[in-house]
Amino acid sequence: GQQLNQSPQSMFIQEGEDVSMNCTSSSIFNTWLWYKQDPGEGPVLLIALYKAGELTSNGRLTAQFGITRKDSFLNISASIPSDVGIYFCAGQLPGSNYKLTFGKGTLLTVNP
Amino acid sequence: ETGVTQTPRHLVMGMTNKKSLKCEQHLGHNAMYWYKQSAKKPLELMFVYNFKEQTENNSVPSRFSPECPNSSHLFLHLHTLQPEDSALYLCASSHLGQGFYGYTFGSGTRLTVV
Repeated sequence: GQQLNQSPQSMFIQEGEDVSMNCTSSSIFNTWLWYKQDPGEGPVLLIALYKAGELTSNGRLTAQFGITRKDSFLNISASIPSDVGIYFCAGQLPGSNYKLTFGKGTLLTVNP
Repeated sequence: ETGVTQTPRHLVMGMTNKKSLKCEQHLGHNAMYWYKQSAKKPLELMFVYNFKEQTENNSVPSRFSPECPNSSHLFLHLHTLQPEDSALYLCASSHLGQGFYGYTFGSGTRLTVV
């Protein structure tokens, strides 16, 4: 099946630092989504992107839909301890009947 | 409260037991999904239901049996599971129609097979 390459796999940062993670694919996507999963919980939607080049913010989070439609990035500014968790990208392929393809996730650890 | 409720949150079962996982969504969505999440693996899609009809079975072993009696409820019936089936089972829902706003996930059921 289609694959999303999400990187990095894990990050260890100090509180206050900025974070950047991205997803790439060889396929074009109609929609890019970014989710966060806290330990023992289900993923929660952070940001949804619908158009190539779109840049959207949600508080300290900013995500962009790549102009080629094959990639997306998520930035977190001024990280805090509660940012800890696993971040997943997800994309919706054309003609997939809204089925999502997920990346493997980025595990973020924030040291106070 | 996420709008998608899964019960139980934790389940320990023997390999000869039969149990069921329940998922209920209060969002008016018309599609529901079962995912399996194992350690260090990506989310694995198991089943998809659109308008109560199963539209996808992602080569899931027959010891997992889904049921969708209506667009708000989804079950996963389990029998004669194996230890490697231990994982977090996530239910999700979405609205198919005008626009797409992603999936809403439940909190999951942590399943341990002993």
